Amino acid sequence: AQKITQTQPGMFVQEKEAVTLDCTYDTSDPSYGLFWYKQPSSGEMIFLIYQGSYDQQNATEGRYSLNFQKARKSANLVISASQLGDSAMYFCAMREDRFSGGYNKLIFGAGTRLAVHP
Amino acid sequence: ETGVTQTPRHLVMGMTNKKSLKCEQHLGHNAMYWYKQSAKKPLELMFVYNFKEQTENNSVPSRFSPECPNSSHLFLHLHTLQPEDSALYLCASSQDTGGRYEQYFGPGTRLTVT
Repeated sequence: AQKITQTQPGMFVQEKEAVTLDCTYDTSDPSYGLFWYKQPSSGEMIFLIYQGSYDQQNATEGRYSLNFQKARKSANLVISASQLGDSAMYFCAMREDRFSGGYNKLIFGAGTRLAVHP
Repeated sequence: ETGVTQTPRHLVMGMTNKKSLKCEQHLGHNAMYWYKQSAKKPLELMFVYNFKEQTENNSVPSRFSPECPNSSHLFLHLHTLQPEDSALYLCASSQDTGGRYEQYFGPGTRLTVT
C-alpha cells in the first residue's frame, strides 16, 4: 500500500487565489512527521512546512499552512494568495519515527504540479 | 557557499565511463542522503550516511558506489551505468539531534546515460 498518496497530478489556480494540495498518508506509527517540499523547474527541493503527529495546532509558515486532520490521516497544504512563482511540483513526505537512529527516512508522494495563472 | 551544493549540475556519460557526483553541505549537519528522481516516479532514497557511517543502502545496484569522507562531503561514484539510470540525482542533509529532522536538498545533478 502507498504510504503517501497525492491524488492530484496537476492543479491550476488564478494568481492571488488560495489553493489546497491534497495529501493522505498511511502509518501505524504513533509518532511521525509530515513535510511539504516545493520543486521548481530548476530541480532543487525546497522545504516549506512541517507538522509533527503530536502537534496540537496546524503548522503555518507565511503563506503556507498545513491542514492536519489526524483521524483522517490527511495533511493538505494550503497556499494563500498564490503567486506566479508558486508554479512548481509539490511533494508531501512522511517520516516514521520508528526508523529513528540518527537520520530521517522520508517517504515521498508522487507530487502535484501546480500552475498559477495570471 | 550556503546550504547544499552539488556538482556537476549536468552530466552526460556513456555506459562505459566512470564519473563521480559531488555534494557538499555547509549547514553543520551530520546526516547526508542520495536520492534518485526519475520521470513519473516518486523520489527514491538510495543511500544514507550518518556521521560518515553508511546506515542505509536501499538495494542500489553496485554500479553506484557512495563515499562519505567527512560529515560535509558526499560522493556518488558511477561506473558502467545503464540508460535507465538517467535521472536527477539529489543530495540532501539533515541534523539528527531531536526535532523535525527536515532535510535540505541541493540543486541536483541531471544525469543522462547514452
